[in-house]
Amino acid sequence: SAVISQKPSRDICQRGTSLTIQCQVDSQVTMMFWYRQQPGQSLTLIATANQGSEATYESGFVIDKFPISRPNLTFSTLTVSNMSPEDSSIYLCSVESGYKGEQYFGPGTRLTVT
Amino acid sequence: DAKTTQPPSMDCAEGRAANLPCNHSTISGNEYVYWYRQIHSQGPQYIIHGLKNNETNEMASLIITEDRKSSTLILPHATLRDTAVYYCIVRVADSWGKLQFGAGTQVVVTP
Repeated sequence: SAVISQKPSRDICQRGTSLTIQCQVDSQVTMMFWYRQQPGQSLTLIATANQGSEATYESGFVIDKFPISRPNLTFSTLTVSNMSPEDSSIYLCSVESGYKGEQYFGPGTRLTVT
Repeated sequence: DAKTTQPPSMDCAEGRAANLPCNHSTISGNEYVYWYRQIHSQGPQYIIHGLKNNETNEMASLIITEDRKSSTLILPHATLRDTAVYYCIVRVADSWGKLQFGAGTQVVVTP
């Protein structure tokens, strides 16, 4: 298994500003993933982050809005840029670990944009 | 397009078995069935997965029909802490990442 922590756990931000969310894993992993969960909705994959390469974004998500860094095998950041109230969501990171192909998720960052 | 269909909600009595159905009629031969759950205000938690044989672990059992078009997750003795949204997901095991979450089933366990 993998233990994942995220910072901050929650934040309230003003429209037009940016927030960087950190994700730390207790073991080295090849791939890390960022999801968004809008209020009352299911999870949607934003992007996949490999160490040493550009992140791969899903349809509807762009690097200018959600830049991602992956400086090493245990850490990643997701920035939510030029925020609007529509960006109010829970942002979760996850890693795939173990021989069973299961993913482990962080506790999430609850973002409110006013 | 959604690859799985689940009932939106289910109630279950504490101590009883909870049987959660999932339809995946378009599943491919190399796709596994995964189950995750999300307790309120937490990240999703892996429960179990299988290809075609029934599987059991310390959390649950997974029963997959012979034609693999549907499956049932069984929580043998539901507790209040099992109240969560349960997601049934199909994916290729070596596809790395790409968990496509549907709406899931909201399970409420009552005393």
